[in-house]
Amino acid sequence: DQQVKQNSPSLSVQEGRISILNCDYTNSMFDYFLWYKKYPAEGPTFLISISSIKDKNEDGRFTVFLNKSAKHLSLHIVPSQPGDSAVYFCAASDLGGNQFYFGTGTSLTVIP
Amino acid sequence: EAGVAQSPRYKIIEKRQSVAFWCNPISGHATLYWYQQILGQGPKLLIQFQNNGVVDDSQLPKDRFSAERLKGVDSTLKIQPAKLEDSAVYLCASSLGLVRPTEAFFGQGTRLTVV
Repeated sequence: DQQVKQNSPSLSVQEGRISILNCDYTNSMFDYFLWYKKYPAEGPTFLISISSIKDKNEDGRFTVFLNKSAKHLSLHIVPSQPGDSAVYFCAASDLGGNQFYFGTGTSLTVIP
Repeated sequence: EAGVAQSPRYKIIEKRQSVAFWCNPISGHATLYWYQQILGQGPKLLIQFQNNGVVDDSQLPKDRFSAERLKGVDSTLKIQPAKLEDSAVYLCASSLGLVRPTEAFFGQGTRLTVV
């Protein structure tokens, strides 16, 4: 039972343009969300998080938006750079929960 | 600050053999996770420790998988006997979180191939 879904396995974007990666979840108890970035042969690295008391969190070129009513979050990367090419995972947990539930990932390719 | 260390990086074994993976978390991190990532899927939690106690092992196939975290620091994950479907990357992660999850920091993983 996949509680966190990333329906786009891949995305290609031109350098300098915006990348938008989407994530949907089914468990309404989830209240903390994270994005991880993964390069080949490396472990995932934490990118940005958001709690359910917010609907937006920014960190430099990365912004995460949360729409609780739609159970949807998105990661915006502006401007996209070739070094952003990686697999991006979203993850979620609930208050008092002990684990993160990961999506299946979206492979982003930024074309120079 | 040193990251999460895992070894070995790669392992190839035959089915029915046993294998063990080692993880050294970030110093001071109370919570340690073992995840299994099958190709094309997201990481799936196998077991979570808080200090040296097990918090969640509901998705650990206990007939063949075992894990321990001695003294609340290093951890080992063992598979015995291995099956073909155990081929995956095994990721160890650690986090500060005691009361609730905070971001976890991952090691590079061990890629296991069972032939």
